[in-house]
Amino acid sequence: DIVMTQTPLSLSVAIGQSASISCKSSQSLKYSDGKTYLNWVFQSPGQSPKRLIYQVSKLDSGVPDRFSGTGSETDFTLKISRVEAEDLGVYYCCQGSYSPFTFGSGTKLEIK
Amino acid sequence: VQLVESGGGLVQPGKSLKLSCSASGFTFSSYGMHWIRQAPGKGLDWVAYISSSSGTVYADAVKGRFTISRDNAKNTLYLQLNSLKSEDTAIYYCARTLIDWGQGVMVTVSS
Repeated sequence: DIVMTQTPLSLSVAIGQSASISCKSSQSLKYSDGKTYLNWVFQSPGQSPKRLIYQVSKLDSGVPDRFSGTGSETDFTLKISRVEAEDLGVYYCCQGSYSPFTFGSGTKLEIK
Repeated sequence: VQLVESGGGLVQPGKSLKLSCSASGFTFSSYGMHWIRQAPGKGLDWVAYISSSSGTVYADAVKGRFTISRDNAKNTLYLQLNSLKSEDTAIYYCARTLIDWGQGVMVTVSS
């Protein structure tokens, strides 16, 4: 199975500042169709998760453009510019290129 | 889009349970569906996936014990949980291709 390693486990960011989360996979996530099925999923406290980004950098409908995803092969990054209070919660990367799907352990974003 | 899970509860180790996920607001038969769980205070743990053509994939931890299925006529996704273990205790979410998630249903395995 592909192992997804996220860093840091937690970070504290002031409102208006930026945050960056790293996700590394144990093997390349580039699939035979040329696409890379790397997702970012967010869970606010007490709520169900929701997907923010798919295929590395494509934002889901309604996701603010303060969020961006970059990366390729095995190294991926979620960046949040101008952090807002509503962004606090846990962010997970999740690969869907190869079965079984696997999640990272999560990064908890706190507001300083 | 609405996904509503049901069927959770307290069950003894070794016993069985069947979860349901009622879907509405989209063409259910056209989408792959996931079950994902979250143990208390822990992260997300992917469980199983069924494609629109009913192909299935399972996490190693549940392979041979859990069965994912779907009834497109009823717009419903299922997860049959057999030979339950204490480590299966979690909130179980159904999700439409990770985009939309239900509110989750709690499964507690304890004697």
